[in-house]
Amino acid sequence: GAVVSQHPSWVICKSGTSVKIECRSLDFQATTMFWYRQFPKQSLMLMATSNEGSKATYEQGVEKDKFLINHASLTLSTLTVTSAHPEDSSFYICSAMGDSNYGYTFGSGTRLTVV
Amino acid sequence: AQSVSQHNHHVILSEAASLELGCNYSYGGTVNLFWYVQYPGQHLQLLLKYFSGDPLVKGIKGFEAEFIKSKFSFNLRKPSVQWSDTAEYFCAVGLYGNNRLAFGKGNQVVVIP
Repeated sequence: GAVVSQHPSWVICKSGTSVKIECRSLDFQATTMFWYRQFPKQSLMLMATSNEGSKATYEQGVEKDKFLINHASLTLSTLTVTSAHPEDSSFYICSAMGDSNYGYTFGSGTRLTVV
Repeated sequence: AQSVSQHNHHVILSEAASLELGCNYSYGGTVNLFWYVQYPGQHLQLLLKYFSGDPLVKGIKGFEAEFIKSKFSFNLRKPSVQWSDTAEYFCAVGLYGNNRLAFGKGNQVVVIP
């Protein structure tokens, strides 16, 4: 079946630094990728939707300059958390959608801790 | 705004007991409905989905869900749970024609052997 690889699975960084998270579709072409953020005991909150070769569409309240999303190819999207602060500590999850309608495949998530 | 409600965040039950998790959504238009499961340390996996047709949907691992349009509900059920069903379960709603999903807060289900 469809597989999405998300890397790294966890990262600890210092406040003020930037962190890049990768999301790869391993055996299919992802026309659309989604980035979510999940706080403890909360639901997944959609941050942005990215389509290959175009600018990401951010949800209301999500800072596009802080959470940079690049979807340069049909198999790779990256999320860069710029100038990270402790309040950015969270679990970030990507999902990818191929050609089949609503064929979402989720990555295993990245636990970001900013110290 | 579209919202998805899941009640009883923590559910603890014994093996062989029946499980029902509620999911209600607020959007009044045509929706696509999903249940995902997240086993400890693993990624989200699709249990089942409803787009149209028979409102009783059967998914993997013996799960089923029923779409009741008049109640804006899509409850998940399993007649007899196993220890391996210990996981977190998320209901998600997608607007027809829109790829974005809205998730509920999830139900943490613990099955005691």
